[in-house]
Amino acid sequence: GENVEQHPSTLSVQEGDSAVIKCTYSDSASNYFPWYKQELGKGPQLIIDIRSNVGEKKDQRIAVTLNKTAKHFSLHITETQPEDSAVYFCAASTPSGNTPLVFGKGTRLSVIA
Amino acid sequence: GAGVSQSPSNKVTEKGKDVELRCDPISGHTALYWYRQSLGQGLEFLIYFQGNSAPDKSGLPSDRFSAERTGGSVSTLTIQRTQQEDSAVYLCASSFRVGGTYQETQYFGPGTRLLVL
Repeated sequence: GENVEQHPSTLSVQEGDSAVIKCTYSDSASNYFPWYKQELGKGPQLIIDIRSNVGEKKDQRIAVTLNKTAKHFSLHITETQPEDSAVYFCAASTPSGNTPLVFGKGTRLSVIA
Repeated sequence: GAGVSQSPSNKVTEKGKDVELRCDPISGHTALYWYRQSLGQGLEFLIYFQGNSAPDKSGLPSDRFSAERTGGSVSTLTIQRTQQEDSAVYLCASSFRVGGTYQETQYFGPGTRLLVL
């Protein structure tokens, strides 16, 4: 089945700097890659997703890139702010319909003011 | 509108007792998912409902775990004879699923924090 590896497990950046979180997946059939942000005491919230027919997607300060050949995708946050501090999860899903989203183990991002 | 709600928000129980966790999905969402989140771990898929049926029970860790959904809405996750290793956050998500894929956006509730003493 699908396996998703996420790095780093923790990341500290200065406010205003960029943060990059990387994930790799094992199943070449995977074609949907969402990113979730989980704040303390809350459930994960979708922040951006990408499908395998595109290589990059942007939404204001957040962007996701996908390299299907290498089977990895990354989350980029620019001009980080303290409210970006949270745990971020990547996930992958295949089109077969029988496999749920497989999540990475998460990255705890701390933005230092 | 209202999001996914879960109750209780916190549950402390003694080893060997049964617990029931409740999930109210977003109105109109056809699919409902249960996940378990242990400390320092990612999201472990437990079970999925489409309507009232559960076509995928592959993630339930043991026969002590069961879930049901009635009226295509509320779902309960039951853990019988709880063990200390069951301590975790149990998250529910819902989506408006069409077709046979898992790729619709999943909206998560705040979770139930279960502690088994």
